[in-house]
Amino acid sequence: KAGVTQTPRYLIKTRGQQVTLSCSPISGHRSVSWYQQTPGQGLQFLFEYFSETQRNKGNFPGRFSGRQFSNSRSEMNVSTLELGDSALYLCASSLTSGYNEQFFGPGTRLTVL
Amino acid sequence: KQEVTQIPAALSVPEGENLVLNCSFTDSAIYNLQWFRQDPGKGLTSLLLIQSSQREQTSGRLNASLDKSSGRSTLYIAASQPGDSATYLCAVRFLAGGTSYGKLTFGQGTILTVHP
Repeated sequence: KAGVTQTPRYLIKTRGQQVTLSCSPISGHRSVSWYQQTPGQGLQFLFEYFSETQRNKGNFPGRFSGRQFSNSRSEMNVSTLELGDSALYLCASSLTSGYNEQFFGPGTRLTVL
Repeated sequence: KQEVTQIPAALSVPEGENLVLNCSFTDSAIYNLQWFRQDPGKGLTSLLLIQSSQREQTSGRLNASLDKSSGRSTLYIAASQPGDSATYLCAVRFLAGGTSYGKLTFGQGTILTVHP
């Protein structure tokens, strides 16, 4: 059974640009969560999607947004990139929303210059 | 504020030693707790999931315990090997409040080095 896949694995952008990251959950999983990992702040929750609806959102500015498609694949978008957005972005999938075990993908390393 | 703390921040041990990693959380109202392993530059690998009604879980050389009342969990690694070297992360799902729904709150991790 394939695990969580994320594309692209690496991205380099410049300040002011926008970026879209993609996540495909484990087959049969319907919930996708996104996390940002930085050396200073550690792992922080961005948002969770289930059945194409955002179920919860972390404490991030509105520049961070996401969506989920009918096949459970999810995308997150960051607009007007800042240097501080450089991070490893991790996607996690679980069977349903809420409190199920989460399985993580390999992440997308975003570097903002 | 719901927080997770891991001690120590880093640990270096010789191969073959048994070791314990600690995790504490500020609110005993939790749904479950998950231990992860992260290799440098990689994603997270789930090691053990403990439901709030459980006291411990075991998988191979790993044993995780949970004491909700004291807000603590430990990850015990038996007979450590160089391949165990990684960052170990503790993550908690708190029950209190709608903003906790579906969200894992992570500790800062313990960097483990097992030297031959």
